[in-house]
Amino acid sequence: DADVTQTPRNRITKTGKRIMLECSQTKGHDRMYWYRQDPGLGLRLIYYSFDVKDINKGEISDGYSVSRQAQAKFSLSLESAIPNQTALYFCATSAPGQGSRNEQFFGPGTRLTVL
Amino acid sequence: AQKITQTQPGMFVQEKEAVTLDCTYDTSDPSYGLFWYKQPSSGEMIFLIYQGSYDQQNATEGRYSLNFQKARKSANLVISASQLGDSAMYFCAMREMNTGFQKLVFGTGTRLLVSP
Repeated sequence: DADVTQTPRNRITKTGKRIMLECSQTKGHDRMYWYRQDPGLGLRLIYYSFDVKDINKGEISDGYSVSRQAQAKFSLSLESAIPNQTALYFCATSAPGQGSRNEQFFGPGTRLTVL
Repeated sequence: AQKITQTQPGMFVQEKEAVTLDCTYDTSDPSYGLFWYKQPSSGEMIFLIYQGSYDQQNATEGRYSLNFQKARKSANLVISASQLGDSAMYFCAMREMNTGFQKLVFGTGTRLLVSP
């Protein structure tokens, strides 16, 4: 079974619609992240969360919001989707701790198309 | 600000040969970590190898090794004995340890194609 799951895996929607992407993890990690990937730009951080009560903006948070419903669940919302939000979205998790490896573990990704 | 640069958009290698994927970085934090991830055509991100800035030896993980040259701020990934399954996008990433959150910043990636 996958440790980090994302739903849906693919979504096509129209401009102006509200969309929620969901992420669940069974790794027991406190830290969770949302990234988007665009061709030629690598991955860019949208939001991140240390724990249920801690949510922070990343480098490209405009147009997005998040909810950390539980330690294992972190949702990303597009309140009013626009075409330039068409991208591959990844959720990731990592264990806490400073000065150690703590690599991030990624979900399978959600491919979102906004028409 | 932390920055990762991958200057090779694409690389070609023949099966069973070694290949080096370049990565340079910029940071003012003396404590940082460098990561390589593989993204096959199926899309998932797979962690490959990690190098800490204070590690004395270059990291190795099976056929993957990291050529870490701290003074030159480079962290090149070396894949030995390439296999067809190594065809994928490869991303270099860095995390500064002394910032408040330890954000992971990615390069733009290198697409590797392994030919028979």
